[in-house]
Amino acid sequence: GNSVTQMEGPVTLSEEAFLTINCTYTATGYPSLFWYVQYPGEGLQLLLKATKADDKGSNKGFEATYRKETTSFHLEKGSVQVSDSAVYFCALSDGGGGSNYKLTFGKGTLLTVNP
Amino acid sequence: DSGVTQTPKHLITATGQRVTLRCSPRSGDLSVYWYQQSLDQGLQFLIQYYNGEERAKGNILERFSAQQFPDLHSELNLSSLELGDSALYFCASSHSASGNTIYFGEGSWLTVV
Repeated sequence: GNSVTQMEGPVTLSEEAFLTINCTYTATGYPSLFWYVQYPGEGLQLLLKATKADDKGSNKGFEATYRKETTSFHLEKGSVQVSDSAVYFCALSDGGGGSNYKLTFGKGTLLTVNP
Repeated sequence: DSGVTQTPKHLITATGQRVTLRCSPRSGDLSVYWYQQSLDQGLQFLIQYYNGEERAKGNILERFSAQQFPDLHSELNLSSLELGDSALYFCASSHSASGNTIYFGEGSWLTVV
C-alpha cells in the first residue's frame, strides 16, 4: 500500500535559517504529492502541491520538487520566520481512477523557530 | 478560514457512550472526507462521501459510521466509545471525487474518559 515517511523531528531553528524537511513515499501509479501545515490550535492547511514528476510546488517561500527517481518531495525554505512554527505533514494521493482521493499522510514534523 | 465547518470543537464523554460529529463542507463542494488524528496512529483516513454516496472507506472501525445528507453536510457517528478513540477528528471537502485540492476544517477534539 501507499506510505509516506518524513523526518519526525522536532526541528528547532533560529530565525532566517535554512529549512529542509525530508519526505519520501511509496506508491503505486502516479500519485500527487502535498505538504500541509498545522499551526497551533488550528486545522490542516494546504501549503503546496505537485501533481507530476519534476513539478515544483511553491507557496509563502516554501518549495518542494516531485522527484520520481528518488521518490521524494522534500520541503525547503531559505529563511524561516518565527511565524513558520507549526507541524508540517507530507501527504500523497493515489490519484488512481478518479473515484478515490484519500490522502496518506506522514507522521508530521514539528518545527520551532526561535527569534 | 477554509470554509469547512465542524461542530463541536471540543467534546468530553464517557466510555461506552455515543457521539455525533457534524461537518458542513465548503459551498459547492460535493465530496466530504473524515480523518482521525491521534498521537499513536497519526492522521488516518476514515471514509469519503461524494454527493450522498459512500465513495471510499479507510481504517474506520465498525463502531463508527458516517453519512452525507442531501444538503451535503455530513455526520460521523462514534459509538461504544473507548479511551483509545480520543483523538482529533477532521472533516475535509473537495469539489469533485478526485483530482482537486482537499480543504480541512479545524477539527473536533474528542476526549473519552
